[in-house]
Amino acid sequence: EPEVTQTPSHQVTQMGQEVILRCVPISNHLYFYWYRQILGQKVEFLVSFYNNEISEKSEIFDDQFSVERPDGSNFTLKIRSTKLEDSAMYFCASSVGYQPQHFGDGTRLSIL
Amino acid sequence: DAKTTQPPSMDCAEGRAANLPCNHSTISGNEYVYWYRQIHSQGPQYIIHGLKNNETNEMASLIITEDRKSSTLILPHATLRDTAVYYCIVRVAGAGTASKLTFGTGTRLQVTL
Repeated sequence: EPEVTQTPSHQVTQMGQEVILRCVPISNHLYFYWYRQILGQKVEFLVSFYNNEISEKSEIFDDQFSVERPDGSNFTLKIRSTKLEDSAMYFCASSVGYQPQHFGDGTRLSIL
Repeated sequence: DAKTTQPPSMDCAEGRAANLPCNHSTISGNEYVYWYRQIHSQGPQYIIHGLKNNETNEMASLIITEDRKSSTLILPHATLRDTAVYYCIVRVAGAGTASKLTFGTGTRLQVTL
């Protein structure tokens, strides 16, 4: 069964550094999402992306965040200058429009 | 999106059916009920969804009341591997919609021997 893959599984970064989290969505999916989950808290929506532009973003998704689909297969989340509070699991998801979203297993981001 | 209410935790004996309730009394006519689960810190896993009819797939059954104000996810023969947090989510869905999922705190299901 096709799946969403995320790399790396764990990223450790110094505060203030840029980080890029990578995702390969399911190949025929057109809608892409990022969510995050701070340890012990709810899964929170960050951003949705369709047709090479952001469809919706949450309050969390400020100017420090950006998303990109640089080629036909990857979908990336960039955090420009990481803060301690960015430490979380980041989940990528994809869907075919109104069909269910399918999630990857996440990248654990640790900011030191 | 409509808000959902779920019990914080439930226990179930292995081999028995697990029935997880969800209230969504403010659901709108164009909102579907989705169920996901999260095993430990893995990514949320899609289980099943429905609009108004009962649904069944290889993982579970979804029973939606006639007034659509509540639903029950049924795992017919729970195993230890079904221990997870189960999320009931109401979401607007339609062609061309990239609508987000709004996760609550879910129900922590513990399956025991």
